[in-house]
Amino acid sequence: DAGVIQSPRHEVTEMGQEVTLRCKPISGHDYLFWYRQTMMRGLELLIYFNNNVPIDDSGMPEDRFSAKMPNASFSTLKIQPSEPRDSAVYFCASSLSGTTRSFQYFGAGTRLSVL
Amino acid sequence: ELKVEQNPLFLSMQEGKNYTIYCNYSTTSDRLYWYRQDPGKSLESLFVLLSNGAVKQEGRLMASLDTKARLSTLHITAAVHDLSATYFCAVSPGGYQKVTFGTGTKLQVIP
Repeated sequence: DAGVIQSPRHEVTEMGQEVTLRCKPISGHDYLFWYRQTMMRGLELLIYFNNNVPIDDSGMPEDRFSAKMPNASFSTLKIQPSEPRDSAVYFCASSLSGTTRSFQYFGAGTRLSVL
Repeated sequence: ELKVEQNPLFLSMQEGKNYTIYCNYSTTSDRLYWYRQDPGKSLESLFVLLSNGAVKQEGRLMASLDTKARLSTLHITAAVHDLSATYFCAVSPGGYQKVTFGTGTKLQVIP
């Protein structure tokens, strides 16, 4: 399996622009998570899905952030409009329930810079 | 609110030395995970601990869990430079898939 695939790997944009981050989870996994990592705040859970349904979006910082999972193999995280304080590394992770180990498997991340 | 605290936050140690990273959490948890993150890279799973007294070892790393004390430790034996990374613990209360990550411990092993 190719693992969790995120795109783009790097994104540089200007303040006010729309940014869309993409994630393909590991095939067969039923949970998908979006995280944001910064030096100041560490690793923060933004939102997670179970079987394509959003379960907890309490970590989404503002209405400017939205996430969708239209099918089991694809999710997006959108920021509109973007602001410099959104600059961070965004990780997507997936996991499979019903197993003892249930590790979350992380993608390579998207490094976002908002100028 | 679940809190997961690690200490130290930063650890610089010489090769060949032993040290322990601590992870304290504030509520009962069914599972405790350890992850590793190399600079500029993603998170990689290391261990999952499922019960009180559980111990897992791989190479120079050994993780243990004391659920009564709500404490997990990651012990490093005879450190080598390749172990330089940031180590995160994460807890999963209630058996849910959602986990809460600790603050991370940045380990630097000096030759």
